[in-house]
Amino acid sequence: DQQVKQNSPSLSVQEGRISILNCDYTNSMFDYFLWYKKYPAEGPTFLISISSIKDKNEDGRFTVFLNKSAKHLSLHIVPSQPGDSAVYFCAAIRETSGSRLTFGEGTQLTVNP
Amino acid sequence: SQTIHQWPATLVQPVGSPLSLECTVEGTSNPNLYWYRQAAGRGLQLLFYSVGIGQISSEVPQNLSASRPQDRQFILSSKKLLLSDSGFYLCAWSVKLDSGFSYEQYFGPGTRLTVT
Repeated sequence: DQQVKQNSPSLSVQEGRISILNCDYTNSMFDYFLWYKKYPAEGPTFLISISSIKDKNEDGRFTVFLNKSAKHLSLHIVPSQPGDSAVYFCAAIRETSGSRLTFGEGTQLTVNP
Repeated sequence: SQTIHQWPATLVQPVGSPLSLECTVEGTSNPNLYWYRQAAGRGLQLLFYSVGIGQISSEVPQNLSASRPQDRQFILSSKKLLLSDSGFYLCAWSVKLDSGFSYEQYFGPGTRLTVT
């Protein structure tokens, strides 16, 4: 049962434009949602998170939006830069889960100069 | 500051051979520890997690095992590797709060395992 899904395996945008990465989930009991960024041959690094009681969290060029009724979240990157090219993973967690994250499949973002 | 080490970085092993991947964390004590695998074209799958020495929870039945002989050491093992064990293995840690919950995990550099 894939509880967190990223339906777009890849996304390509031009430098300076907005990148929108999407994530859907099925478990309404998730308490937090996170985005991780991963470069090839490296471990993922934490990017931004949002609590299930919020609908928006912003950190510099990165904004995460949560639509609980649709069980959907998105990551907006504005403006996109070539250094943002990486795989982005959406993840979700329940407070009662012992800190076990459930990850989506990842989306490869390519920002073209 | 905290750091997490994994070795080796890459490994090529024949089918049926044993496996031992090691992960150590520095700069923190009593962390939660995790082993993940990323198969080609797939997301991150949690394999094992540990909340303390000798305490291991398995998430996915398989021919892999994990051990935590010391507070900041986490080992992933197999007695006989299968072709399907190929992938990118990641160790991670998180702070263990009094509430028992911490959602941010910090990942190591990973080990690329190829079983031939």
